[in-house]
Amino acid sequence: GENVEQHPSTLSVQEGDSAVIKCTYSDSASNYFPWYKQELGKRPQLIIDIRSNVGEKKDQRIAVTLNKTAKHFSLHITETQPEDSAVYFCAASGSYQLTFGKGTKLSVIP
Amino acid sequence: EPEVTQTPSHQVTQMGQEVILRCVPISNHLYFYWYRQILGQKVEFLVSFYNNEISEKSEIFDDQFSVERPDGSNFTLKIRSTKLEDSAMYFCASSLLLSNSPLHFGNGTRLTVT
Repeated sequence: GENVEQHPSTLSVQEGDSAVIKCTYSDSASNYFPWYKQELGKRPQLIIDIRSNVGEKKDQRIAVTLNKTAKHFSLHITETQPEDSAVYFCAASGSYQLTFGKGTKLSVIP
Repeated sequence: EPEVTQTPSHQVTQMGQEVILRCVPISNHLYFYWYRQILGQKVEFLVSFYNNEISEKSEIFDDQFSVERPDGSNFTLKIRSTKLEDSAMYFCASSLLLSNSPLHFGNGTRLTVT
């Protein structure tokens, strides 16, 4: 089955700096790669996703890149704000299930 | 914006008891899921459901677990004879399409087995 590795597990950045979270996946058949933000005690919320026919996608301060050959994808957050502090999960899917990474706890220091 | 709703938000049960977690998926979605998140850990897939049958399940989803769509709106997860290690947040999710379609999660049910 699919295996998703996510790094780093924790990340602290100064407000206004950029944050980058990286994930790798194992199943070359995976074709959908969403990113979820989870605040403490709340549900995961989709923030951006990318499909395998696209190499990069951007939505305001958030961007995701995908390298199918290397089987890795990354989340980039620019101009970070304190409200970006949360746990971020990457995921990969090729069929009925999403396989999640272990999460990155992002702390944005004011 | 339509949401996935789950009840109850918290459930405390004694070891060995049966629990039923309830979910109302988004009305026009066709695929339904249950995921589990043990405190501080990643979200883990349990089961997917389409056209009134299980389409895929993980190793976690053993004979202790079952799912049902008893009517046109509800989607339930039953855990028989609960164990301490079943304590977790259980998230229901739904999607319009299969595979590369966004999953919409409910707010979860926190299950505590004592």
